[in-house]
Amino acid sequence: AQTVTQSQPEMSVQEAETVTLSCTYDTSESNYYLFWYKQPPSRQMILVIRQEAYKQQNATENRFSVNFQKAAKSFSLKISDSQLGDTAMYFCAFFNYGGSQGNLIFGKGTKLSVKP
Amino acid sequence: NAGVTQTPKFQVLKTGQSMTLQCAQDMNHNSMYWYRQDPGMGLRLIYYSASEGTTDKGEVPNGYNVSRLNKREFSLRLESAAPSQTSVYFCASSEGTGSISGNTIYFGEGSWLTVV
Repeated sequence: AQTVTQSQPEMSVQEAETVTLSCTYDTSESNYYLFWYKQPPSRQMILVIRQEAYKQQNATENRFSVNFQKAAKSFSLKISDSQLGDTAMYFCAFFNYGGSQGNLIFGKGTKLSVKP
Repeated sequence: NAGVTQTPKFQVLKTGQSMTLQCAQDMNHNSMYWYRQDPGMGLRLIYYSASEGTTDKGEVPNGYNVSRLNKREFSLRLESAAPSQTSVYFCASSEGTGSISGNTIYFGEGSWLTVV
């Protein structure tokens, strides 16, 4: 069974600085997708960034980028120029599109606080 | 630009009562999902529907039933609510095709359910 581990329950960063959130996963599959979702205090789940496992190039979305290391099964999220609005829970998620439909597996999340 | 809409947003139930959470999406997506989120946990899949007319169990289906009423609507029913079902429930949808964008899952705003 696939598992997703986020080893940092809580992190904090000063406004305008850079922070990296860790995520590792365990799978025997070779075809899958990886996602980072943001959940602010409103509880809305918001897609931040996504990565296809067969692509070596790391995905970027404005201030958000990932460091995808397939051999190490690692998928970390880097937030540059942190803003107060980045304060949220961040969830790493794994989707095995070779398996059963709806197989999106979440980690337990990292609570990020951005301090002024 | 509604996306995924779920009702009600908040509900308090007594043990043994029944209720239905309603969900509708306006993105013409094929696949729909129900997740629950408990404190300190990521989201866990209750049921999903890969396409109109089909439903399948996820990780935590016990105590729930679902109906895919049509392509737009996917409801979740608690027949006899228990305190263990106190949670935040998320409806979600995806195109359900084979690409990463087709398998990106978009979430509703969540429904807070308390069973006393």
